[in-house]
Amino acid sequence: DGGITQSPKYLFRKEGQNVTLSCEQNLNHDAMYWYRQDPGQGLRLIYYSQIVNDFQKGDIAEGYSVSREKKESFPLTVTSAQKNPTAFYLCASSQRGGRSYEQYFGPGTRLTVT
Amino acid sequence: GIQVEQSPPDLILQEGANSTLRCNFSDSVNNLQWFHQNPWGQLINLFYIPSGTKQNGRLSATTVATERYSLLYISSSQTTDSGVYFCAAGLTGGGNKLTFGTGTQLKVEL
Repeated sequence: DGGITQSPKYLFRKEGQNVTLSCEQNLNHDAMYWYRQDPGQGLRLIYYSQIVNDFQKGDIAEGYSVSREKKESFPLTVTSAQKNPTAFYLCASSQRGGRSYEQYFGPGTRLTVT
Repeated sequence: GIQVEQSPPDLILQEGANSTLRCNFSDSVNNLQWFHQNPWGQLINLFYIPSGTKQNGRLSATTVATERYSLLYISSSQTTDSGVYFCAAGLTGGGNKLTFGTGTQLKVEL
């Protein structure tokens, strides 16, 4: 059963702590993405990776870091430098090109920082 | 970067009514997707439609790439159609980064 999993579904942290969000896919996709959604807004791109061991900043990368050591995994760390970390975080994956660029999304992680 | 605008921002329908949602984008795209976000936040893929017309049951979509817009048609709406509909576009040569519109909040009433 192919898909994208994100864990945990809800995450609570104290201000000043770093926190890592998990994203795993078994769709054999080369490209993976992290987006952030704030209430009543669309999604904004944080980081993306087109291939293992390579990633690029998106539109709102400040205060975040990522790694891409395995094709299936693309964890996101929300650091203490992120000024407004409370948000809904969604991970996605896609083929790198070819016939389709369609992105598929995981169920998301709701992060609350107090 | 590419700009994506959706209209209307809010829409209230009676069950059984038809509706058209619009997405305008500012540049040449190689990816145009429509999503439905359910109450739990999950994004459901509706259409991958960088050009042309597709239909899936009561839903259909058309993208006119040369005129830089896409339309999502919902026919015979049901209460389960309620939620937020997003359009997202990826710039040609842009590494498949998607830019999202701000969505259309649809409520279908009995």
